[in-house]
Amino acid sequence: GAGVSQTPSNKVTEKGKYVELRCDPISGHTALYWYRQSLGQGPEFLIYFQGTGAADDSGLPNDRFFAVRPEGSVSTLKIQRTERGDSAVYLCASSLKVAGVNEQFFGPGTRLTVL
Amino acid sequence: AQSVTQLDSHVSVSEGTPVLLRCNYSSSYSPSLFWYVQHPNKGLQLLLKYTSAATLVKGINGFEAEFKKSETSFHLTKPSAHMSDAAEYFCVVSDRAGGGADGLTFGKGTHLIIQP
Repeated sequence: GAGVSQTPSNKVTEKGKYVELRCDPISGHTALYWYRQSLGQGPEFLIYFQGTGAADDSGLPNDRFFAVRPEGSVSTLKIQRTERGDSAVYLCASSLKVAGVNEQFFGPGTRLTVL
Repeated sequence: AQSVTQLDSHVSVSEGTPVLLRCNYSSSYSPSLFWYVQHPNKGLQLLLKYTSAATLVKGINGFEAEFKKSETSFHLTKPSAHMSDAAEYFCVVSDRAGGGADGLTFGKGTHLIIQP
């Protein structure tokens, strides 16, 4: 079956521009996560959706970052007024929300470069 | 609060020799622990997971890890390294009982180099 997919695979933008990054989770997975991986670092948690609602957005660095999941499947991470420090690989993961186990399946990521 | 410390940023071994990647964790509750591998330009792949069952966990590609609560460690091992094991490895903790997001907390990663 299909895994988590993310588009685009690469995005180059200019400082100050707005970008949208898309994530298609595994079909049937109710939980969806966004992470950011800077060069040479491990992924850092940004936001988690259970269904359509953001259950925890404590990892979003500031109010320029926003994410939606309007129908409980596809999610879009939106970044306003991009800054050079936003350059990173943005990873999406999904999981079945079952008791006791939280195995997340990751997409290949979107590499964002802000010039 | 939860955290993960990977004790080595780089590990270099010869092909055919044992691999040891060290990880210590901190968690307020009973954690779930994972090891993920990331090959260049590829997505993260789950190697193995510990979720309060057997303390010795076997994963894919011959890797295994042992959960030691007294040492708060979850070191990853493999008896014999293969060239294809060269990659970045992440130790990960999930603090489910603590509530909140279930977002994973990743270590900084260990770059495994395999010498021919």
